[in-house]
Amino acid sequence: GAGVSQSPSNKVTEKGKDVELRCDPISGHTALYWYRQSLGQGLEFLIYFQGNSAPDKSGLPSDRFSAERTGGSVSTLTIQRTQQEDSAVYLCASSFDPSSGNTIYFGEGSWLTVV
Amino acid sequence: AQSVSQHNHHVILSEAASLELGCNYSYGGTVNLFWYVQYPGQHLQLLLKYFSGDPLVKGIKGFEAEFIKSKFSFNLRKPSVQWSDTAEYFCAVNERGADGLTFGKGTHLIIQP
Repeated sequence: GAGVSQSPSNKVTEKGKDVELRCDPISGHTALYWYRQSLGQGLEFLIYFQGNSAPDKSGLPSDRFSAERTGGSVSTLTIQRTQQEDSAVYLCASSFDPSSGNTIYFGEGSWLTVV
Repeated sequence: AQSVSQHNHHVILSEAASLELGCNYSYGGTVNLFWYVQYPGQHLQLLLKYFSGDPLVKGIKGFEAEFIKSKFSFNLRKPSVQWSDTAEYFCAVNERGADGLTFGKGTHLIIQP
């Protein structure tokens, strides 16, 4: 497709279960980002990939969170042993070279609810 | 660490009113500046951006923003808002030559018909 694609669009999971969120960036975009948007909060940076490597993992809130990107394209964000405070919209974004100020394009997000 | 402040978390206006949403950032170096908008039920999309040149930037749907370097500000303006402008507005800053965007917490704008 033409835009950033995320799946699932909605996920309800029980506390303690693991979840995987997938992001398919715009073709050719080398940079990929994960952000989290909680109710009433701003956008919280989680992790950034340039190609397959993740030069900035500083935003991951705990060691229960991990992400990988394979083939310089699809990325998966994994949350282990989910907690209720993990409930949020997880947004993926991609761009060409971000240091040149290229526009970052966002997906529609994956709504995660931990019950 | 760089931070972005949006001073108004909720703004309620009537149609045809003028709008100004504040945005200040902490980084003292060269920056790229963005405003993103998220309409209800939709994904984030770019409203406008500033890289260099004229500090008054015009975006889509009649929005504009002015970069004032001395004030570390990039306020968003629209002379006459419409009901369809109801949305969440996010200011974002990128350090020139660095990766990623730092976002403000957003401003929830409600336009009353």
